[in-house]
Amino acid sequence: EAQVTQNPRYLITVTGKKLTVTCSQNMNHEYMSWYRQDPGLGLRQIYYSMNVEVTDKGDVPEGYKVSRKEKRNFPLILESPSPNQTSLYFCASSLQTTFSTDTQYFGPGTRLTVL
Amino acid sequence: AQKITQTQPGMFVQEKEAVTLDCTYDTSDPSYGLFWYKQPSSGEMIFLIYQGSYDQQNATEGRYSLNFQKARKSANLVISASQLGDSAMYFCAMKPRNTPLVFGKGTRLSVIA
Repeated sequence: EAQVTQNPRYLITVTGKKLTVTCSQNMNHEYMSWYRQDPGLGLRQIYYSMNVEVTDKGDVPEGYKVSRKEKRNFPLILESPSPNQTSLYFCASSLQTTFSTDTQYFGPGTRLTVL
Repeated sequence: AQKITQTQPGMFVQEKEAVTLDCTYDTSDPSYGLFWYKQPSSGEMIFLIYQGSYDQQNATEGRYSLNFQKARKSANLVISASQLGDSAMYFCAMKPRNTPLVFGKGTRLSVIA
């Protein structure tokens, strides 16, 4: 089954404790992206990657890191989480981003709480 | 700059009735795609329908149709014969070429029995 998977689905952590949210897709997509969703603000892009070893900042990159060593994986790293990073996080992928027809498919989401 | 506007924070509709969710967009790129996603209370984002800027006909997918008015820069989602399971947040999104997807802030639809 074609899908985007994220782990963990739920995470409660404390300020300053480094964490990684994994994202993997099995559709051979070149483009992958991370979003955060907050009430009243909609989805905001954190980072994206157009291909292996190519990553770029989105609208709200501060406090996050990413890497794209393999095509299928795009982990999101919070080196020192803070309470304002409490949010619902989505990973998404699409075949490319060149064309306006490229549909993005989303993972199930990771609900993160930073105390 | 690319922008998506959804002016209805919340909508109510009677079961079996049709409902229209509004979406307007702004872009200077003549080639772009318009997307609608559904987010039920369980949280996942489900792709519903796509419309290309050069498509001559409005897109349809089952009970979903997209009322595309290019001159007005609007891409409203029409859900026919609403069901209780349609209660969810709905997001409109736009994708010009070589640019990441841009989302609106969403409309919460509640279907009443």
